[in-house]
Amino acid sequence: ETGVTQSPTHLIKTRGQQVTLRCSSQSGHNTVSWYQQALGQGPQFIFQYYREEENGRGNFPPRFSGLQFPNYSSELNVNALELDDSALYLCASSLWTSGTGELFFGEGSRLTVL
Amino acid sequence: EDKVVQSPLSLVVHEGDTVTLNCSYEVTNFRSLLWYKQEKKAPTFLFMLTSSGIEKKSGRLSSILDKKELFSILNITATQTGDSAVYLCAVHAGGGADGLTFGKGTHLIIQP
Repeated sequence: ETGVTQSPTHLIKTRGQQVTLRCSSQSGHNTVSWYQQALGQGPQFIFQYYREEENGRGNFPPRFSGLQFPNYSSELNVNALELDDSALYLCASSLWTSGTGELFFGEGSRLTVL
Repeated sequence: EDKVVQSPLSLVVHEGDTVTLNCSYEVTNFRSLLWYKQEKKAPTFLFMLTSSGIEKKSGRLSSILDKKELFSILNITATQTGDSAVYLCAVHAGGGADGLTFGKGTHLIIQP
């Protein structure tokens, strides 16, 4: 177990709605990143937060946004949900200074958009 | 665009067999290659490789990186049913703020 916790574990939304997913980092980690994993695919990088600022982003539109709080916990917000947003959303924490890319993942939030 | 390709995408073997999973990559400014095991939801870390030719080993699992030919392999010997999982290969490239680029994974099924 990594110590990274995510909530909720499952949720169902309809097209056009908005969703907020939450993540608590592993103790001692100051960097959090979010990944989207569609069924049968590998995780895809959404963005990364360090010192409460987004400092890296993958190929996702602006309706995917996030926050990192002073205690290093984080939120992922998705507006105007589309059917293709149905996926497992994984939060991962790491230590910025490690420079290795090694991530510690939470169990994920499974989002279904109807 | 960074790319990671894993093969095979799925594999069914019998308990006790040895398997080799493959990962090739094309990225700019390579930093490290990582292997993860995903059983249900959270991928769990197996290995991180940064140097060519140095084998990393953990029990029945081992992995090696070839930075000249741009690939890595993950070997599992004497497979057990508990090894059944999706094995993900990922590359950390670019700057420190760039995320990992994952392959699609190899779905490994070990039959008793």
